[in-house]
Amino acid sequence: DARVTQTPRHKVTEMGQEVTMRCQPILGHNTVFWYRQTMMQGLELLAYFRNRAPLDDSGMPKDRFSAEMPDATLATLKIQPSEPRDSAVYFCASGLQGAYNNEQFFGPGTRLTVL
Amino acid sequence: AQKITQTQPGMFVQEKEAVTLDCTYDTSDPSYGLFWYKQPSSGEMIFLIYQGSYDQQNATEGRYSLNFQKARKSANLVISASQLGDSAMYFCAMRGNTGGFKTIFGAGTRLFVKA
Repeated sequence: DARVTQTPRHKVTEMGQEVTMRCQPILGHNTVFWYRQTMMQGLELLAYFRNRAPLDDSGMPKDRFSAEMPDATLATLKIQPSEPRDSAVYFCASGLQGAYNNEQFFGPGTRLTVL
Repeated sequence: AQKITQTQPGMFVQEKEAVTLDCTYDTSDPSYGLFWYKQPSSGEMIFLIYQGSYDQQNATEGRYSLNFQKARKSANLVISASQLGDSAMYFCAMRGNTGGFKTIFGAGTRLFVKA
């Protein structure tokens, strides 16, 4: 049963600390997305990759956020330094561009709390 | 610019009855896809149904159907024979083809199914 995995599932950290979230997309998927979900803003697209190349990261605060795909099996989202307003659930999703419905399969999310 | 609007923050439905969740969209893309996702209290995002803008028939998946009215730019989700387990947050989403694989989400509708 293929699924997207994310680690850690929960993270509590103090303001100013670095946070790294990891995502393993479904094997064979060529597109990876990072979303942030908050009560106030809903689901926001932060960045997405196709064939490991960043296509759009306009939704991401550039001064503190960075997203990479070191290889096809790993995507990372890093926040440095973290701030309380970064507290949210961060979802990773993967998909296969060219599939009929282009469905995105979501991971379980990382719940981040910045104190 | 693309936009998704879900005007119903919350909805109540009696168990075993049908319910319609509204979604309107705006896009200048001639080709696009529309999605519905379910997010139960556990937090995961579950894909429900997809409608392509050029599909001739409305999409159906079990108890879910999508009432697609292209001229009105609406893509309402109909859930038939509601079950208690349908209580969740429901998100409408759209992917425009000129935006690559980028997907935007509506604010969501919380559905409560009453016994």
